[in-house]
Amino acid sequence: DTGVSQNPRHKITKRGQNVTFRCDPISEHNRLYWYRQTLGQGPEFLTYFQNEAQLEKSRLLSDRFSAERPKGSFSTLEIQRTEQGDSAMYLCASSLAAGGTDTQYFGPGTRLTVL
Amino acid sequence: GIQVEQSPPDLILQEGANSTLRCNFSDSVNNLQWFHQNPWGQLINLFYIPSGTKQNGRLSATTVATERYSLLYISSSQTTDSGVYFCAVGKDRGSTLGRLYFGRGTQLTVWP
Repeated sequence: DTGVSQNPRHKITKRGQNVTFRCDPISEHNRLYWYRQTLGQGPEFLTYFQNEAQLEKSRLLSDRFSAERPKGSFSTLEIQRTEQGDSAMYLCASSLAAGGTDTQYFGPGTRLTVL
Repeated sequence: GIQVEQSPPDLILQEGANSTLRCNFSDSVNNLQWFHQNPWGQLINLFYIPSGTKQNGRLSATTVATERYSLLYISSSQTTDSGVYFCAVGKDRGSTLGRLYFGRGTQLTVWP
């Protein structure tokens, strides 16, 4: 069990560029979540997959954001036409919902800075 | 969504002191987790505790689901306990399947 991994750990981009982040969940975890955290706040939910199906999206996830989880394994989060307000830590979590429990384990995050 | 309030927002302690962090939430939940966020931003799982009491070394937690609050106890605090402690709750059914709602956290600073 190597934990949840995220790449890259840091990303600096110019406003208007597209960026893509990757998340590799704990193997055999069927659920994968994306959250966003800004300074001084707790993480806020963005979207959630069960296996390859995207089951829930927050209203925070504008049409510039898209997430995929092909084959129910790793996931990518793409932000198109980045804005300065997109600067944040993007966190991925995974869980194995079983036996009435659903403990989410978080990755180290990708810190995005939009100049 | 579910509102989560954590108190106190900031806590400063001398090494060796004990502390209690509180989490109130606005709706019935079937998922409650406590996390410690280290200075590098990593969220570390402390407890999965939608109800009852658990202990792990110097840390323990109690959730009273019927009264919609949870408490995290830290005994004999150490400088390595410093960081932000988050409470997160979820309701794994209906339109909010799976998501966690986080509080704003308690910033704990432990001085030697």
